Amino acid sequence: DQQVKQNSPSLSVQEGRISILNCDYTNSMFDYFLWYKKYPAEGPTFLISISSIKDKNEDGRFTVFLNKSAKHLSLHIVPSQPGDSAVYFCAARAPMDSNYQLIWGAGTKLIIKP
Amino acid sequence: NAGVTQTPKFRILKIGQSMTLQCTQDMNHNYMYWYRQDPGMGLKLIYYSVGAGITDKGEVPNGYNVSRSTTEDFPLRLELAAPSQTSVYFCASSYSSGREDGTQYFGPGTRLTVL
Repeated sequence: DQQVKQNSPSLSVQEGRISILNCDYTNSMFDYFLWYKKYPAEGPTFLISISSIKDKNEDGRFTVFLNKSAKHLSLHIVPSQPGDSAVYFCAARAPMDSNYQLIWGAGTKLIIKP
Repeated sequence: NAGVTQTPKFRILKIGQSMTLQCTQDMNHNYMYWYRQDPGMGLKLIYYSVGAGITDKGEVPNGYNVSRSTTEDFPLRLELAAPSQTSVYFCASSYSSGREDGTQYFGPGTRLTVL
C-alpha cells in the first residue's frame, strides 16, 4: 500500500502564477516531510522540509503547508518561474523503528508555461 | 566537495550478466542508500546502511547485494541480471538521526538496461 501519495502525475501552470503541488499520507507516525525537485538525467535535490509539529514552513518562493488532521501537505511556489519545471517528489520520514527511512510519493511533473 | 558520485552513468547488460554500481560520498555521512526509480514511479529503497559494516534490506532487495566496508563507499551488486532490473539507480547519503530532518543527498544516477 502506498503510504505517501501524489495524485496528480502532472501540473501545468502559467509563468508568474502560483503552483500548488499536493501530497497525502496515511501514517500518523511520520515526523518530517520533505520536498525534492528532480530535473531529467539528474538526481533529486532537496527543496524544503517541515516538521510534523509545525503547520507552515517558508523559504523564499517556496512554502510548505501541513494539515495533520487531514494527513495532507502542499507545496506552494510563488511566483512560478520557467526553471521550476521539474518533477517534484514528496517524502515522509518514518519513525526510529524503521531507521528513519524516507517513504516517497510517485512525483508530480510541473510544467511552467511562458 | 563532490558530494555523491556514481559510476557508470549508463550500462547495458545481457540477461544473466552481473555488475557492480559504484557509489562514493565525501560528506562523512553515516547513512547511505540505494534506490531504483522505474518510469512513472517514486523511488523504491533497495538497501541502506547506517554505518560501515552495517547494511539492511529496503523495500525491493531481491536480486541485489551490498557491502559497506568504509564510510565513503557503498557499492550495489547485481547478480544474474534480469529485464525487471531495467531502471535508474540512485545512491544517496545523509546524516540521518532522530535530531535531523533526514535530508538525503543524491548522486546523478545510473541508467541500467537489461536485454
